[in-house]
Amino acid sequence: SQTIHQWPATLVQPVGSPLSLECTVEGTSNPNLYWYRQAAGRGLQLLFYSVGIGQISSEVPQNLSASRPQDRQFILSSKKLLLSDSGFYLCAWSVGSGIRYEQYFGPGTRLTVT
Amino acid sequence: AQSVTQLDSHVSVSEGTPVLLRCNYSSSYSPSLFWYVQHPNKGLQLLLKYTSAATLVKGINGFEAEFKKSETSFHLTKPSAHMSDAAEYFCVVSESGHKLVFGAGTILRVKS
Repeated sequence: SQTIHQWPATLVQPVGSPLSLECTVEGTSNPNLYWYRQAAGRGLQLLFYSVGIGQISSEVPQNLSASRPQDRQFILSSKKLLLSDSGFYLCAWSVGSGIRYEQYFGPGTRLTVT
Repeated sequence: AQSVTQLDSHVSVSEGTPVLLRCNYSSSYSPSLFWYVQHPNKGLQLLLKYTSAATLVKGINGFEAEFKKSETSFHLTKPSAHMSDAAEYFCVVSESGHKLVFGAGTILRVKS
């Protein structure tokens, strides 16, 4: 069966510091991978998605970036965090293309920027 | 563009009574629709999905939802609430192969 991991589970970082969040998926090949942010009172926002190694699509311009160095690994980064980057970051995966395919979410990373 | 409206931000029920969480959607074509549940500080779990097959969809934990095209609705129901059902529920429409549009969420409270 498929499993998705995210780490760290929680993170407290000062403004201006770098960020690296990691997501890995087990039990499937060539998944589509996604990064979402869930901020208080703002719902879920798709940040990036990837359909293959090195292929990244950005949905929202911001100071975050994403990379996919391996088939089942997705990394969210920032060079300098802002207070507004605080939130709950969720990684998700799906297989196939088209609107019929559901996404499966990881446990999330709670990021607090101080 | 697709959109989703969850008609209640909070719903409170007593344990053992029925649950109804309301969702309306707008779509320019035949959509795929999903319900997800999120417990505090956890990821989202898929409850059920509609993808143009049977209009009454059964999901996990006794939940089901009915797709009504004429009403553009996809309400989530459960005959008898359990304390463990207390969580936030999201109605979701699939806009494209990769973009899910989430409703604002409904927080379900279950009273003992």
